[in-house]
Amino acid sequence: KAGVTQTPRYLIKTRGQQVTLSCSPISGHRSVSWYQQTPGQGLQFLFEYFSETQRNKGNFPGRFSGRQFSNSRSEMNVSTLELGDSALYLCASSLGSFNSPLHFGNGTRLTVT
Amino acid sequence: GIQVEQSPPDLILQEGANSTLRCNFSDSVNNLQWFHQNPWGQLINLFYIPSGTKQNGRLSATTVATERYSLLYISSSQTTDSGVYFCAVDSGNTPLVFGKGTRLSVIA
Repeated sequence: KAGVTQTPRYLIKTRGQQVTLSCSPISGHRSVSWYQQTPGQGLQFLFEYFSETQRNKGNFPGRFSGRQFSNSRSEMNVSTLELGDSALYLCASSLGSFNSPLHFGNGTRLTVT
Repeated sequence: GIQVEQSPPDLILQEGANSTLRCNFSDSVNNLQWFHQNPWGQLINLFYIPSGTKQNGRLSATTVATERYSLLYISSSQTTDSGVYFCAVDSGNTPLVFGKGTRLSVIA
């Protein structure tokens, strides 16, 4: 079974631009979660989607948004990029019940200059 | 919200040594998972263990939910065990909260 696939692996953007990251979950998984990882803040939860509905949301500004499609693939968008948005963005999928193990993709490393 | 503390923050081992990593959490949990992040950044799920003991090869984990802690044991460590080990918990209808991790370096 293929794992969680995130694209692209690396991105370099300029302040003020916007970016879209993509995540394809493991086949059969209906939940997709997004995390931001930085050296200073560690792993922080962004949001979770289940069956195309946002089920949980972390404490991030409205510039961070996401969506999930009917095939469970998910995208996250960051608008008006700031230098502090530079991070590793990790997507994880699970079956969707609250005790399901999370399986992570390789991440997208975003650098904002 | 729930707090997660991991110790030690850093650990250096000689290849072949054993180690114990600890995760303390501030509230009762429905879900506890251990992850290993390799030097290339990928997070691998090691255990889903809200209570009890599990073993997978040289790794084992024990969670004592009533005392709010979990332990990850690594035996006969290898250089490929290097990386950061994270504990993550949730208390029900909430997303997983991650600890700051234990950075393990195994030296040949």
